[in-house]
Amino acid sequence: QVQLVESGGRVVQPGGSLRLSCAASGFDVSTYGMHWVRQAPGKGLEWVANIRYDGSNEYYADFVEGRFTISRDNFKNTLHLQMNSLRSDDTATYYCAKGDASSWDPFDHWGQGTLVIVSS
Amino acid sequence: SYVLTQPPSVSVAPGQTARITCGGNNMGGKSVHWYQQKAGQAPVLVVYDDDDRPSGIPERFSGFNSGNSATLTISRVEAGDEADYYCQLWHSHSDHWVFGGGTRLTVL
Repeated sequence: QVQLVESGGRVVQPGGSLRLSCAASGFDVSTYGMHWVRQAPGKGLEWVANIRYDGSNEYYADFVEGRFTISRDNFKNTLHLQMNSLRSDDTATYYCAKGDASSWDPFDHWGQGTLVIVSS
Repeated sequence: SYVLTQPPSVSVAPGQTARITCGGNNMGGKSVHWYQQKAGQAPVLVVYDDDDRPSGIPERFSGFNSGNSATLTISRVEAGDEADYYCQLWHSHSDHWVFGGGTRLTVL
């Protein structure tokens, strides 16, 4: 069955960098659109980034402002999110989610999330 | 940017029907999805493409989308339905995926 397991979250200082990973099983990440979604403590869900099913394009929320990069390692069947120039308002649980070939498809499976805390 | 508006909270007695709305400009022409998030857990897809249910989701969950609003309806509400519910769609003009602010369903 489909499973997504995030890792890499920790406490990091403002201005620092972090790389999140999402290990997938039960399907091939190279053939599905994949997303990162975050949730600040006590707040709602916020879409962060997408990589298209064929890897042809990446899309980012406006607040990313060039600081984050989504990528995938097809050999390891893993999704990544490289986050640079982190700010306190990036503090959140980060989820990876599986989409499909079409942009309008739902996020049909989610990982359990990894917590990122940006604090000095 | 495109905005989806949900009421912050909805309360309903067990066995009654809960309706959670999601408002957005001309959203009737877009595919709307709904997620349930229980306390301390990851979101779960409960309705997709306006009115379809993934396997394993009870028939009590249904959806409708038309004009400038979509509605998630939960019939015969149970205590286990208590959760936050989020609507979501893809905004083609910006290639952004948008979530509503979420609605907390309280079962009285």
